[in-house]
Amino acid sequence: QVQLVQSGAEVKKPGASVKVSCKASGYTFTNYDINWVRQVPGQGLEWVGWLSLHSGSTGYAQKFLGRVTITRDTSLSTTYMELDRLRSEDTAVYFCMREVRQWRRANDIWGQGTMVTVSS
Amino acid sequence: EIVLTQSPATLSLSPGDSATLSCRASQSVGTYLAWYQQKPGQAPRLLIYAVSNRATGIPARFSGSGSGTDFTLTISGLEPEDVAVYYCQQRSDWPSFGGGTKVEIK
Repeated sequence: QVQLVQSGAEVKKPGASVKVSCKASGYTFTNYDINWVRQVPGQGLEWVGWLSLHSGSTGYAQKFLGRVTITRDTSLSTTYMELDRLRSEDTAVYFCMREVRQWRRANDIWGQGTMVTVSS
Repeated sequence: EIVLTQSPATLSLSPGDSATLSCRASQSVGTYLAWYQQKPGQAPRLLIYAVSNRATGIPARFSGSGSGTDFTLTISGLEPEDVAVYYCQQRSDWPSFGGGTKVEIK
């Protein structure tokens, strides 16, 4: 079964860092790319960044440059999204998604989401 | 950054009606346009990729059309389980999403 399984909910204080994992199974890990998006409760989807699982190349939304790092461990079929210097506005559900190059880069498989709460 | 504008914000229809959802891009995105459905408490699900291709397992009542900057998602014969928020997304550049259209049943 093709799936992405994310790590559990996190509660962090302002200024701290959070690292969310996304484990892939049921397919060849390096044949696809991964996007991360976030969703503030009750609001829309906001792109955070992209990772090529084949090359390790990354791309980040301007808004998060300097604060976000997306990495991979191919031996574990897992990608990671780390966000530094957390603020209350970073409270959101973070999703990883599999990007399909042959489908004009649409995202066909989504993780279940990880709630990150930033509160003092 | 390519901005996607969806309209209307909310659509309230009766079962069996046809729903027409619009997505307009600030510049051409070619065929790099997808549609997603999100139900409360769930992750989004891919409905349509490359403007008009249904993803695996998506019912035929969902169809996509358009080109360049103007795109449409049509739900023909609305069913109660179609209540959700629908998002368009472009990948002509780094990804961006529209603000969503909420579909309600009267």
